[in-house]
Amino acid sequence: ELKVEQNPLFLSMQEGKNYTIYCNYSTTSDRLYWYRQDPGKSLESLFVLLSNGAVKQEGRLMASLDTKARLSTLHITAAVHDLSATYFCAVDVQVDMRFGAGTRLTVKP
Amino acid sequence: DTGVSQNPRHKITKRGQNVTFRCDPISEHNRLYWYRQTLGQGPEFLTYFQNEAQLEKSRLLSDRFSAERPKGSFSTLEIQRTEQGDSAMYLCASSLELNQPQHFGDGTRLSIL
Repeated sequence: ELKVEQNPLFLSMQEGKNYTIYCNYSTTSDRLYWYRQDPGKSLESLFVLLSNGAVKQEGRLMASLDTKARLSTLHITAAVHDLSATYFCAVDVQVDMRFGAGTRLTVKP
Repeated sequence: DTGVSQNPRHKITKRGQNVTFRCDPISEHNRLYWYRQTLGQGPEFLTYFQNEAQLEKSRLLSDRFSAERPKGSFSTLEIQRTEQGDSAMYLCASSLELNQPQHFGDGTRLSIL
């Protein structure tokens, strides 16, 4: 059974600091997605990673995928308060998309 | 086009009642997904349609749950004889192709009294 594990589940960081969120998954897949969810809101797509070694960047966020290690990372550079949200990774096996439990990020001034 | 639309936004009902939710996907998207999300968890896949065909159902989807997409456009999710454990946010998403991100609606929050 496909399992998707994120860590940490909770992350509190100071503005201006860097940090990395990790997403491990248990079966072969070369489609991995990162989503953001603000409290009371729905999910917003951030990145789609479709091949080994894929790296994508948008603003202060950068995502990468290592399909051999079954690992994706979401790196936050010089965090700002607006990045506070819950971040989910999701792995797609055929049509069954499995989400991690999410990383709740709080960026403090 | 304003994205994926779900209604109602909130539904409060007594245990044992039937409820039906509606999802209108982005118009050109032929793939439609239903998920359930509980507090502090990621969305759990329930079912998937490609056009009007329901191609995948999760083991989470008991016999009390049924979903339809009769004309390949909007979809409905019905829960019969609701139970306390059905309380959750029900999310609908749509996508154009398999390798593209899913666009999520704002969800229907179901509360069972």
